Amino acid sequence: DQQVKQNSPSLSVQEGRISILNCDYTNSMFDYFLWYKKYPAEGPTFLISISSIKDKNEDGRFTVFLNKSAKHLSLHIVPSQPGDSAVYFCAASPPGDSSYKLIFGSGTRLLVRP
Amino acid sequence: EPEVTQTPSHQVTQMGQEVILRCVPISNHLYFYWYRQILGQKVEFLVSFYNNEISEKSEIFDDQFSVERPDGSNFTLKIRSTKLEDSAMYFCASSETETYGYTFGSGTRLTVV
Repeated sequence: DQQVKQNSPSLSVQEGRISILNCDYTNSMFDYFLWYKKYPAEGPTFLISISSIKDKNEDGRFTVFLNKSAKHLSLHIVPSQPGDSAVYFCAASPPGDSSYKLIFGSGTRLLVRP
Repeated sequence: EPEVTQTPSHQVTQMGQEVILRCVPISNHLYFYWYRQILGQKVEFLVSFYNNEISEKSEIFDDQFSVERPDGSNFTLKIRSTKLEDSAMYFCASSETETYGYTFGSGTRLTVV
């Protein structure tokens, strides 16, 4: 089951630079996407979301871009900070779903170097 | 800030034994979920629960699994006869309304030996 894919298992960036985390999905009917951040020994924490009717959503240093034609979304973190070092999961909501379950990607481990 | 609390943080059990994983959702939340993450793999949906009944369950959630909200505050996941492949991190989550941005607990690491 590869409906949501994060092809980069890890990413390392310098503090202050931009971090770009990518996510691809296979089902064009997905209508809502989220990014979660996870620190070791903690549960995933909701970060930012985007509806399929939009192509961009911004919250402080975090911006999510959605390209529906390419079935691709990305999370931009600008500027990156060492505290952003965590595993980032992309998630999508299945179409026609009433239970609000999420389908997660495999995660990308971000390391922000001081 | 309100938290979803899961106990124990780590449980080791013999194969074939029953385990109960416990969760205390945020007090005014109405929607509850269990997810699991096998080491190195994706976070996978197991079950959603609302109004004292299961809303949806995944293929993973077979007859060996059950959920219960016994007393209005706890939300439990029971595995009747554990298998080695049940070893994973189990996350409970809850939300106040119908939303995707729910709050996860810190998880219970289940190790079946």
